[in-house]
Amino acid sequence: DVKVTQSSRYLVKRTGEKVFLECVQDMDHENMFWYRQDPGLGLRLIYFSYDVKMKEKGDIPEGYSVSREKKERFSLILESASTNQTSMYLCASSFSTVRLGQGITQPQHFGDGTRLSIL
Amino acid sequence: EDQVTQSPEALRLQEGESSSLNCSYTVSGLRGLFWYRQDPGKGPEFLFTLYSAGEEKEKERLKATLTKKESFLHITAPKPEDSATYLCAVQVVDTGTASKLTFGTGTRLQVTL
Repeated sequence: DVKVTQSSRYLVKRTGEKVFLECVQDMDHENMFWYRQDPGLGLRLIYFSYDVKMKEKGDIPEGYSVSREKKERFSLILESASTNQTSMYLCASSFSTVRLGQGITQPQHFGDGTRLSIL
Repeated sequence: EDQVTQSPEALRLQEGESSSLNCSYTVSGLRGLFWYRQDPGKGPEFLFTLYSAGEEKEKERLKATLTKKESFLHITAPKPEDSATYLCAVQVVDTGTASKLTFGTGTRLQVTL
């Protein structure tokens, strides 16, 4: 079974702090993703990575950065936390379509999330 | 812009009362449509992938179907353990190798005794 592990289930931080959220997957997936989930807004993509040291902005990257130094690990960084970044953060991973072949897609597999509160 | 709309927002059923959840989508070109189940405090759990109109997939009391504009998740004789939020997501053909998904906001299902 695919396992995506997020380092913390609950996290409380203060405004202005630098916050690190960590995610590790054990399936040798090329792609990794960070989402936030808010009531009424659904899952929104923050950043994703399709290879080590490669990253691309998602739909809402402002105020966030990411790091992928190893294939299995993808970190989300809140440079200076603000109260509007209070949310549920979800990490996901999937195979690359290059590995699978064009026209074939595999689902993203999710961790159990980190509920982050910024006070 | 790719859009995914799920309805209803919330649905309350009695045990055994069958129903359907809807996911309508507007995309430039569909590579795949995914259904996920999410329990409170947990991450989404993958259920089905559908690729082309007319395709159907089944798992226990759940059956997913796909047309060119929408997908349905049919729940037959639901049980309380089927209570969860059901999410629909689409992947379009131009997302490169990274298989990005666009999610709907989900349907919150509650099944009572």
